[in-house]
Amino acid sequence: SQQGEEDPQALSIQEGENATMNCSYKTSINNLQWYRQNSGRGLVHLILIRSNEREKHSGRLRVTLDTSKKSSSLLITASRAADTASYFCATDAAGTALIFGKGTTLSVSS
Amino acid sequence: DVKVTQSSRYLVKRTGEKVFLECVQDMDHENMFWYRQDPGLGLRLIYFSYDVKMKEKGDIPEGYSVSREKKERFSLILESASTNQTSMYLCASTAGTGGRNEQFFGPGTRLTVL
Repeated sequence: SQQGEEDPQALSIQEGENATMNCSYKTSINNLQWYRQNSGRGLVHLILIRSNEREKHSGRLRVTLDTSKKSSSLLITASRAADTASYFCATDAAGTALIFGKGTTLSVSS
Repeated sequence: DVKVTQSSRYLVKRTGEKVFLECVQDMDHENMFWYRQDPGLGLRLIYFSYDVKMKEKGDIPEGYSVSREKKERFSLILESASTNQTSMYLCASTAGTGGRNEQFFGPGTRLTVL
C-alpha cells in the first residue's frame, strides 16, 4: 500500500544549484517525514513536519506541506556533491508504521 | 550515539535454507520494523513489533516470520529462502506510537539467495 509518491524519480543538478523534490500522498496524515539514503546504506531521518505546520527549516533544508493538496516538497539549497543520495517521504497514515514512497534519486555533480 | 545494528551487511544463502536476520537497538524503543527494499519498489514493510512478543504483519509478510523475545532485539526469519527474497533488508526502530517520531535505521543486510 504505497502512500507517498515522490517526483521526480531522478534529478541531476550542478553543485550550488537548488534541488526540489515533491511528494504526494493519498489519505489524511498526522505527520510527514523526509529521509535520506546514501547508496547501499540505511535511511537517515532529515525532518518531520506535522499536519498543522506549513513550512519547516533545518539548515539548508526547507520542507513545505499542503494538506489540502496532499503534497509536500523538500528543497535543498546550494547543493553539494555530498547531497547525492536518494530521498524518501514517509507518512503515518498506517498508524504506528510509516509508509514510504519510492524515492527521488538526486545526483549533484561538481 | 544511538544505534541500530544488523547482524550482517552481506549474506549469501541457498534456496531452501532457513535464514535469520538479526537487529539490535540500544535506544529502549518499543517499536521495531523490518522492511525490504527493491529497485523501483521503494521500502515495503514486512513486519513490525510494538512490544516484546507482539507482532503485526506489514504489506508483504508472506514467506517471512519474526521473533521478538527481548525489547532490544527483533529477528526476521526466512523459513525456506527463495530467489525472489533476494533483496536489501532494513531494520528500524522508533519510540512512542504512531508516526510522530523519527525511525532509526540499521545499515541494511543485502541478502542474495542462489
